[in-house]
Amino acid sequence: AQSVTQPDIHITVSEGASLELRCNYSYGATPYLFWYVQSPGQGLQLLLKYFSGDTLVQGIKGFEAEFKRSQSSFNLRKPSVHWSDAAEYFCAVVPMDSSYKLIFGSGTRLLVRP
Amino acid sequence: NAGVTQTPKFRVLKTGQSMTLLCAQDMNHEYMYWYRQDPGMGLRLIHYSVGEGTTAKGEVPDGYNVSRLKKQNFLLGLESAAPSQTSVYFCASSPVSGANVLTFGAGSRLTVL
Repeated sequence: AQSVTQPDIHITVSEGASLELRCNYSYGATPYLFWYVQSPGQGLQLLLKYFSGDTLVQGIKGFEAEFKRSQSSFNLRKPSVHWSDAAEYFCAVVPMDSSYKLIFGSGTRLLVRP
Repeated sequence: NAGVTQTPKFRVLKTGQSMTLLCAQDMNHEYMYWYRQDPGMGLRLIHYSVGEGTTAKGEVPDGYNVSRLKKQNFLLGLESAAPSQTSVYFCASSPVSGANVLTFGAGSRLTVL
């Protein structure tokens, strides 16, 4: 079945440590890929997106993501986490058979230890 | 520039009551969407609209109706609220360009008792 999977419900990292949040998708053709962040009580904000081209994508707030076709993955990374990064992160895709339906993963909640 | 504005932000209903959530965007976007967010399930698409006067069903449309009479507004209606509709509702909009970069509202928390 077509899906977007974020296998980690919660992740806790220490401030200053590196971060990687996992996202896998199962669609026949490579979809458009997105990462959104949701701070507590807020709406969602786009961090970065991948449509085609360079597989390493830079986003806002120092985040980056790498598209790996062989693994059907689009993992989000940050080399040094700040306390303000504590939030919920959502991977999302727009399948190639639907140009305007954004499908979300279930989210990963990031906790940052001082 | 307000972006996407949702009203009300909070609402408590009794089972069987009706209500309407209003979404307004000032970016002249063609596409508008209603999502619901439930713990552990991410956001699920309820209904969407690709232009004024058009609406279409998303993943979880049952129990909801929508209208897009004006380009800037997208209304989500619950005719007979049920406890299963307790959720946080998000409206979003995007331009026609197909880039599908959505701009989200701040959310509306609905509790059905």
